[in-house]
Parts: sequence; structure tokens; C-alpha cells
Amino acid sequence: DTAVSQTPKYLVTQMGNDKSIKCEQNLGHDTMYWYKQDSKKFLKIMFSYNNKELIINETVPNRFSPKSPDKAHLNLHINSLELGDSAVYFCASSPGQGNPHSYEQYFGPGTRLTVT
Amino acid sequence: QKEVEQNSGPLSVPEGAIASLNCTYSDRGSQSFFWYRQYSGKSPELIMFIYSNGDKEDGRFTAQLNKASQYVSLLIRDSQPSDSATYLCAALDSNYQLIWGAGTKLIIKP
Repeated sequence: DTAVSQTPKYLVTQMGNDKSIKCEQNLGHDTMYWYKQDSKKFLKIMFSYNNKELIINETVPNRFSPKSPDKAHLNLHINSLELGDSAVYFCASSPGQGNPHSYEQYFGPGTRLTVT
Repeated sequence: QKEVEQNSGPLSVPEGAIASLNCTYSDRGSQSFFWYRQYSGKSPELIMFIYSNGDKEDGRFTAQLNKASQYVSLLIRDSQPSDSATYLCAALDSNYQLIWGAGTKLIIKP
């Protein structure tokens, strides 16, 4: 059973298009995240949701809009794609709060987005 | 700005030797620390977690934490070629957010 899954795994699209990436976790975790990892491999937090509520919203263009229909799902919609959006996008989840282990994050396989 | 610093490497270690990976953090209020391994083209995978000063051992891996020096390390004993990967250090800051280092690329040479 895949703990954190993402679709699609690869996404190739043209500038100006709108695309979505979906994420689902079956770990029963309360918190979910979106990260962007660029070509230099730095992992940058974009958003975090706890029980469907936004708790972290880092400085990202408002072309990026997360949506959490329930605590097991966190989707990412990107409008008007730009060349600089090309990267690997990772979804992750963690148990939530309460003890130090609550913040251990488990990652999905990633979505490699290429904008041409 | 809160930071986690790692040497980007690559760190080259002969097979069978001890690989030592280091990480420093700026937020003295950081509570817990995580080591992740990321193989090329794969997602980060949690390998160690430490929140108390001292050493924590798990198989061939030992995490070391020194809060006074704001320093975390990961030792890999009997290094294997399969340990070749990028190792990411992350600190849970005083706001309960993970602050990530840029990672150290480790190469184990047969």
C-alpha cells in the first residue's frame, strides 16, 4: 500500500497552461505539505494544511493555489504556468501535533513538472 | 532568518569506512532534528530522528546532537555503495516548522 501518493508522476506542459497535481495519504495523518525542489535540489516549503486548514503559506506566487477537500487529500493547482515553475513537486504528510514524532514527514514520490 | 547549514559535498568515502555528515542550525529554540536520505530521482526518506543531547543509534546509523553548539551529525558505519545519496538535515524550529538544509551528497567508493 502506498502511504503518500501523487498524480501525475510526470507533467509536461506549455507556458500559460493551467495544471493540477493531486496528493493522497492513507496514513491517517492530520498535516499535509507541498514542497518544491528545484534543479539545485533545495527543498522549499510552499504550503501546509492541518485538518483541511491552511497553516503555512510561504511566499509563492498566487498562481499556486492549494486545496484540501479532506484531511487525506491536498491538491495543488497552478495557473498560467511559467518556465521557472519547472521543478519536482513533493507532497508530504505528518501525524500532527503532540509529541516530537508528530512532526516526522513522509513524502510522496514526487511530480516532475516541465514547462516548455 | 532561521537556517540549517550543510556542506554540499560531494563527500567521498571508501566502502567500509565511517561516513560523517554534519549540520548546524541557527535557531537555538529548535527542538528536534531529522535526517533524510534522498536517492537521485527519488523522494526524501526519513532515516533518523533525534531530540535529546547525545547519541542515538539505529543499526549502522548514529545521530549525534549537541544543542549547546547547535550541531547535529550523522555517522554511517561500514559504508556501502548503496548509502550513496544526498542526506538532508532538518530542524524543527520554535514555531514547529521544519527548516531544511540544502543536503550533502555522499559517494561511497567501492
